[in-house]
Amino acid sequence: SQTIHQWPATLVQPVGSPLSLECTVEGTSNPNLYWYRQAAGRGLQLLFYSVGIGQISSEVPQNLSASRPQDRQFILSSKKLLLSDSGFYLCACQTRDRAYNEQFFGPGTRLTVL
Amino acid sequence: GQNIDQPTEMTATEGAIVQINCTYQTSGFNGLFWYQQHAGEAPTFLSYNVLDGLEEKGRFSSFLSRSKGYSYLLLKELQMKDSASYLCAVRVSGNTPLVFGKGTRLSVIA
Repeated sequence: SQTIHQWPATLVQPVGSPLSLECTVEGTSNPNLYWYRQAAGRGLQLLFYSVGIGQISSEVPQNLSASRPQDRQFILSSKKLLLSDSGFYLCACQTRDRAYNEQFFGPGTRLTVL
Repeated sequence: GQNIDQPTEMTATEGAIVQINCTYQTSGFNGLFWYQQHAGEAPTFLSYNVLDGLEEKGRFSSFLSRSKGYSYLLLKELQMKDSASYLCAVRVSGNTPLVFGKGTRLSVIA
């Protein structure tokens, strides 16, 4: 079965500091990968998605970037965090190994920027 | 643009039945998904509809009408653990990201 790992689980960072969140997938190959952010009490906002190594599509222009150095690794980064970057960051995967080709989610990283 | 509408909040009584509606206006349609998200956790997949009609899975059922751009999630024999947000999402085309609604927060009360 497919599994998504995200770390860290929680993070508290000062404004202006850098960020690196990592997502790795097990049990499948050539997945589509996604980064979402969810602010407190709000819906999911798609940030980036990737259909293959080195291929990144950005949905929302902001101070975040993403990279996919390996087939099953997806990294979300920032050079300087803003207060508005606080939220719950979810990595998701879509693979034909699933019955309905549905997206499934990792456990998330809760980021607080102070 | 793509638009998905769901009620923001609903309250229902333990043991009762609740129906959560979702309407969508999208440039294409290749399936509709429902997810459950408990507070502080990641969403988990509940159901999938691509053809018109009802899909039943235990206490949960999901209905789709493509001509009306409408779906609902039906939860029967409500339990306290069903208190969560329920997200409706549409796949517009084969390889594109799902478009998510803002979610419906369901509170189950005794």
